[in-house]
Amino acid sequence: GAGVSQSPSNKVTEKGKDVELRCDPISGHTALYWYRQRLGQGLEFLIYFQGNSAPDKSGLPSDRFSAERTGESVSTLTIQRTQQEDSAVYLCASSLTAGGYEQYFGPGTRLTVT
Amino acid sequence: SQELEQSPQSLIVQEGKNLTINCTSSKTLYGLYWYKQKYGEGLIFLMMLQKGGEEKSHEKITAKLDEKKQQSSLHITASQPSHAGIYLCGARSGGSNYKLTFGKGTLLTVNP
Repeated sequence: GAGVSQSPSNKVTEKGKDVELRCDPISGHTALYWYRQRLGQGLEFLIYFQGNSAPDKSGLPSDRFSAERTGESVSTLTIQRTQQEDSAVYLCASSLTAGGYEQYFGPGTRLTVT
Repeated sequence: SQELEQSPQSLIVQEGKNLTINCTSSKTLYGLYWYKQKYGEGLIFLMMLQKGGEEKSHEKITAKLDEKKQQSSLHITASQPSHAGIYLCGARSGGSNYKLTFGKGTLLTVNP
């Protein structure tokens, strides 16, 4: 079956512009996660969605970052007024549910802010 | 917050050699995950360990969890060029059942 897909695969944007990243989780997976991977750093948790529960936004680095999810399907991560330090690979993952199930990752979106 | 330290940071081996990568946690481990990442690609799930003493194998890769030492090891037997990549360990942080903290990764190069 299809894995987690993300688009675009690469995005170059000018400082100050807004960007929107998309994630399509594996069908049937109720849990969805966004992570950020900056050069030389480990993955950083950003946000978690589980079904219709309120998302855990505790990892979002600033109020310029927001994310939405429609039901148990597509999610979008929006970064407003991008800064150079936002340059990173943004990875989306999904799992059957929470509670210790393995998280399956998408290929990521490489964001470069110039 | 929980920190995961991986060692070594990078490793170069000759094809056919065995190798071990370690992941040590600063706090109690609640589930330990191993992933592999190739440059420019997403993470490929390898194994998940949940109980102290647990050991899992898949093809030539074996992972163990030592709960007392708060450590996991990943062992590759008879390495092949296809094993090359970045190996990442992740753990559920603070007892959360979903939030993962990751190490910085171990870059493995296998020379033919």
